[in-house]
Amino acid sequence: GDSVTQMEGPVTLSEEAFLTINCTYTATGYPSLFWYVQYPGEGLQLLLKATKADDKGSNKGFEATYRKETTSFHLEKGSVQVSDSAVYFCALSLSGGYNKLIFGAGTRLAVHP
Amino acid sequence: EAGVAQSPRYKIIEKRQSVAFWCNPISGHATLYWYQQILGQGPKLLIQFQNNGVVDDSQLPKDRFSAERLKGVDSTLKIQPAKLEDSAVYLCASSLGTTGETQYFGPGTRLLVL
Repeated sequence: GDSVTQMEGPVTLSEEAFLTINCTYTATGYPSLFWYVQYPGEGLQLLLKATKADDKGSNKGFEATYRKETTSFHLEKGSVQVSDSAVYFCALSLSGGYNKLIFGAGTRLAVHP
Repeated sequence: EAGVAQSPRYKIIEKRQSVAFWCNPISGHATLYWYQQILGQGPKLLIQFQNNGVVDDSQLPKDRFSAERLKGVDSTLKIQPAKLEDSAVYLCASSLGTTGETQYFGPGTRLLVL
Protein backbone atom coordinates (compact mmCIF):
# COMPACT_ATOMS: atom_id res chain seq x y z
CA GLY A 1 0.00 0.00 0.00
CA ASP A 2 0.90 3.66 -0.06
CA SER A 3 3.40 4.63 2.61
CA VAL A 4 6.11 7.05 3.70
CA THR A 5 9.39 6.10 5.38
CA GLN A 6 11.61 8.66 7.03
CA MET A 7 14.83 8.40 8.96
CA GLU A 8 14.57 7.68 12.62
CA GLY A 9 15.51 10.31 15.12
CA PRO A 10 16.42 11.98 17.14
CA VAL A 11 18.79 14.00 15.01
CA THR A 12 21.07 16.15 17.16
CA LEU A 13 23.03 18.99 15.57
CA SER A 14 24.97 22.02 16.60
CA GLU A 15 23.78 25.42 15.50
CA GLU A 16 24.81 26.30 11.91
CA ALA A 17 25.28 22.64 10.94
CA PHE A 18 23.88 21.20 7.71
CA LEU A 19 20.66 19.23 8.01
CA THR A 20 19.36 16.33 5.95
CA ILE A 21 16.30 14.29 6.89
CA ASN A 22 15.67 11.44 4.49
CA CYS A 23 12.20 10.58 3.22
CA THR A 24 11.17 7.93 0.70
CA TYR A 25 7.71 6.96 -0.41
CA THR A 26 5.70 4.18 -2.02
CA ALA A 27 2.62 5.23 -3.93
CA THR A 28 0.45 4.37 -6.88
CA GLY A 29 0.08 7.18 -9.36
CA TYR A 30 1.67 10.58 -8.91
CA PRO A 31 1.42 11.88 -5.36
CA SER A 32 2.02 15.35 -4.02
CA LEU A 33 4.71 15.45 -1.32
CA PHE A 34 4.85 17.53 1.83
CA TRP A 35 6.96 18.33 4.84
CA TYR A 36 5.08 19.33 7.98
CA VAL A 37 6.71 20.61 11.18
CA GLN A 38 5.46 20.36 14.74
CA TYR A 39 7.08 22.77 17.20
CA PRO A 40 6.82 21.96 20.91
CA GLY A 41 3.31 22.58 22.18
CA GLU A 42 1.97 23.57 18.77
CA GLY A 43 -0.03 21.98 15.97
CA LEU A 44 1.30 20.67 12.67
CA GLN A 45 2.26 23.36 10.17
CA LEU A 46 2.96 22.97 6.49
CA LEU A 47 6.64 23.68 5.86
CA LEU A 48 6.85 23.07 2.10
CA LYS A 49 5.39 20.98 -0.68
CA ALA A 50 5.98 19.79 -4.23
CA THR A 51 3.30 18.55 -6.58
CA LYS A 52 5.22 16.98 -9.46
CA ALA A 53 8.55 15.37 -10.31
CA ASP A 54 11.62 17.65 -10.15
CA ASP A 55 9.69 20.37 -8.33
CA LYS A 56 11.59 21.96 -5.46
CA GLY A 57 9.68 23.16 -2.41
CA SER A 58 11.31 25.76 -0.18
CA ASN A 59 10.45 27.79 2.90
CA LYS A 60 12.36 29.35 5.82
CA GLY A 61 15.68 28.12 4.41
CA PHE A 62 14.46 24.53 4.08
CA GLU A 63 14.37 22.79 0.70
CA ALA A 64 13.23 19.46 -0.69
CA THR A 65 13.21 18.17 -4.27
CA TYR A 66 10.65 15.68 -5.60
CA ARG A 67 12.74 12.84 -7.07
CA LYS A 68 10.51 10.39 -8.92
CA GLU A 69 13.38 8.12 -10.01
CA THR A 70 14.41 7.48 -6.40
CA THR A 71 10.92 8.04 -4.88
CA SER A 72 12.45 10.46 -2.41
CA PHE A 73 11.77 13.89 -0.93
CA HIS A 74 14.69 14.60 1.40
CA LEU A 75 14.56 17.73 3.58
CA GLU A 76 17.68 19.93 3.72
CA LYS A 77 18.79 23.14 5.37
CA GLY A 78 22.20 24.66 5.05
CA SER A 79 22.51 26.16 8.53
CA VAL A 80 20.15 25.16 11.32
CA GLN A 81 19.18 27.31 14.28
CA VAL A 82 18.08 26.42 17.78
CA SER A 83 14.60 27.58 16.81
CA ASP A 84 14.41 24.77 14.21
CA SER A 85 14.18 22.18 16.98
CA ALA A 86 10.92 20.35 16.29
CA VAL A 87 9.47 17.15 14.89
CA TYR A 88 9.41 16.95 11.09
CA PHE A 89 6.89 14.81 9.20
CA CYS A 90 7.10 13.78 5.57
CA ALA A 91 3.73 13.08 3.95
CA LEU A 92 2.10 12.29 0.63
CA SER A 93 -1.28 12.96 -0.89
CA LEU A 94 -2.54 10.82 -3.74
CA SER A 95 -3.87 12.43 -6.87
CA GLY A 96 -7.60 11.75 -7.04
CA GLY A 97 -7.48 10.59 -3.45
CA TYR A 98 -9.61 13.29 -1.82
CA ASN A 99 -6.52 15.01 -0.41
CA LYS A 100 -5.92 12.37 2.28
CA LEU A 101 -2.45 12.74 3.83
CA ILE A 102 -0.31 9.68 4.59
CA PHE A 103 2.42 10.53 7.07
CA GLY A 104 5.77 9.10 7.99
CA ALA A 105 6.56 8.46 11.65
CA GLY A 106 8.31 11.79 12.14
CA THR A 107 11.90 12.76 12.89
CA ARG A 108 12.77 14.76 15.98
CA LEU A 109 15.45 17.41 15.47
CA ALA A 110 17.32 18.92 18.40
CA VAL A 111 19.68 21.83 17.70
CA HIS A 112 22.12 22.90 20.40
CA PRO A 113 23.87 26.27 20.66
CA GLU B 1 -7.59 34.78 10.22
CA ALA B 2 -8.47 32.42 13.06
CA GLY B 3 -7.01 28.93 12.85
CA VAL B 4 -8.59 25.56 13.52
CA ALA B 5 -9.92 25.41 17.07
CA GLN B 6 -10.18 22.25 19.14
CA SER B 7 -11.39 21.45 22.63
CA PRO B 8 -10.65 20.18 25.11
CA ARG B 9 -6.86 20.26 24.90
CA TYR B 10 -6.41 17.42 27.36
CA LYS B 11 -8.66 14.65 28.60
CA ILE B 12 -8.10 11.78 31.00
CA ILE B 13 -10.72 9.03 31.26
CA GLU B 14 -10.96 5.45 32.38
CA LYS B 15 -11.42 2.60 29.96
CA ARG B 16 -15.01 1.88 28.94
CA GLN B 17 -15.97 5.53 29.51
CA SER B 18 -17.06 7.76 26.65
CA VAL B 19 -15.45 10.98 25.44
CA ALA B 20 -16.16 13.63 22.82
CA PHE B 21 -13.91 16.09 21.02
CA TRP B 22 -14.96 19.25 19.25
CA CYS B 23 -13.46 21.00 16.23
CA ASN B 24 -14.21 24.33 14.59
CA PRO B 25 -12.49 24.64 11.19
CA ILE B 26 -11.24 27.76 9.46
CA SER B 27 -14.17 29.78 8.16
CA GLY B 28 -15.11 28.83 4.62
CA HIS B 29 -13.22 25.54 4.59
CA ALA B 30 -15.42 22.85 3.09
CA THR B 31 -13.27 19.88 3.99
CA LEU B 32 -12.63 18.69 7.55
CA TYR B 33 -10.39 15.84 8.69
CA TRP B 34 -9.89 13.95 11.95
CA TYR B 35 -6.51 12.28 12.45
CA GLN B 36 -5.26 10.05 15.27
CA GLN B 37 -1.62 10.42 16.28
CA ILE B 38 -0.31 7.69 18.56
CA LEU B 39 2.90 8.50 20.42
CA GLY B 40 5.94 7.96 18.18
CA GLN B 41 3.86 7.63 14.99
CA GLY B 42 2.66 9.94 12.29
CA PRO B 43 -0.98 11.04 12.16
CA LYS B 44 -3.44 8.59 10.61
CA LEU B 45 -6.67 9.73 8.97
CA LEU B 46 -9.79 8.55 10.76
CA ILE B 47 -12.51 10.36 8.82
CA GLN B 48 -12.86 13.09 6.22
CA PHE B 49 -15.91 15.27 5.56
CA GLN B 50 -16.70 17.31 2.49
CA ASN B 51 -19.24 19.85 3.78
CA ASN B 52 -21.46 17.61 5.92
CA GLY B 53 -20.96 14.40 3.94
CA VAL B 54 -18.39 11.68 4.68
CA VAL B 55 -15.90 11.01 1.84
CA ASP B 56 -13.53 8.63 3.65
CA ASP B 57 -14.03 6.74 6.91
CA SER B 58 -12.21 3.58 5.92
CA GLN B 59 -9.90 3.66 8.97
CA LEU B 60 -12.48 4.69 11.55
CA PRO B 61 -13.18 1.90 14.11
CA LYS B 62 -16.91 2.18 13.67
CA ASP B 63 -17.77 -0.13 16.55
CA ARG B 64 -16.59 2.53 19.00
CA PHE B 65 -15.84 5.74 17.10
CA SER B 66 -18.38 8.08 15.55
CA ALA B 67 -18.19 11.54 14.05
CA GLU B 68 -20.58 14.08 12.69
CA ARG B 69 -20.43 17.45 11.02
CA LEU B 70 -23.83 18.99 11.26
CA LYS B 71 -24.47 22.02 9.02
CA GLY B 72 -21.07 21.53 7.39
CA VAL B 73 -19.13 23.59 9.93
CA ASP B 74 -18.23 22.29 13.41
CA SER B 75 -17.54 18.63 13.99
CA THR B 76 -17.50 16.26 16.94
CA LEU B 77 -15.64 12.98 17.28
CA LYS B 78 -16.86 10.52 19.91
CA ILE B 79 -15.37 7.38 21.39
CA GLN B 80 -17.68 5.00 23.24
CA PRO B 81 -16.46 2.91 25.00
CA ALA B 82 -12.80 3.92 25.15
CA LYS B 83 -9.97 1.39 25.21
CA LEU B 84 -6.42 1.79 26.47
CA GLU B 85 -5.11 1.79 22.90
CA ASP B 86 -7.17 4.90 22.12
CA SER B 87 -4.65 6.99 24.07
CA ALA B 88 -3.37 9.41 21.45
CA VAL B 89 -3.55 12.98 20.18
CA TYR B 90 -6.63 13.64 18.06
CA LEU B 91 -5.97 16.25 15.40
CA CYS B 92 -8.52 18.16 13.44
CA ALA B 93 -7.59 19.78 10.13
CA SER B 94 -9.44 21.70 7.46
CA SER B 95 -8.89 22.74 3.85
CA LEU B 96 -10.73 24.78 1.24
CA GLY B 97 -11.37 21.76 -0.95
CA THR B 98 -10.10 18.29 -1.70
CA THR B 99 -7.78 18.63 -4.69
CA GLY B 100 -4.25 19.62 -3.80
CA GLU B 101 -5.38 21.94 -1.04
CA THR B 102 -3.20 22.68 1.98
CA GLN B 103 -4.52 21.23 5.22
CA TYR B 104 -4.39 23.44 8.31
CA PHE B 105 -4.18 21.66 11.63
CA GLY B 106 -5.53 22.52 15.04
CA PRO B 107 -3.50 22.10 18.25
CA GLY B 108 -4.99 18.67 18.97
CA THR B 109 -6.66 17.00 21.93
CA ARG B 110 -4.41 14.75 24.00
CA LEU B 111 -6.39 11.77 25.33
CA LEU B 112 -5.15 9.44 28.04
CA VAL B 113 -7.19 6.31 28.76
CA LEU B 114 -6.40 4.65 32.10
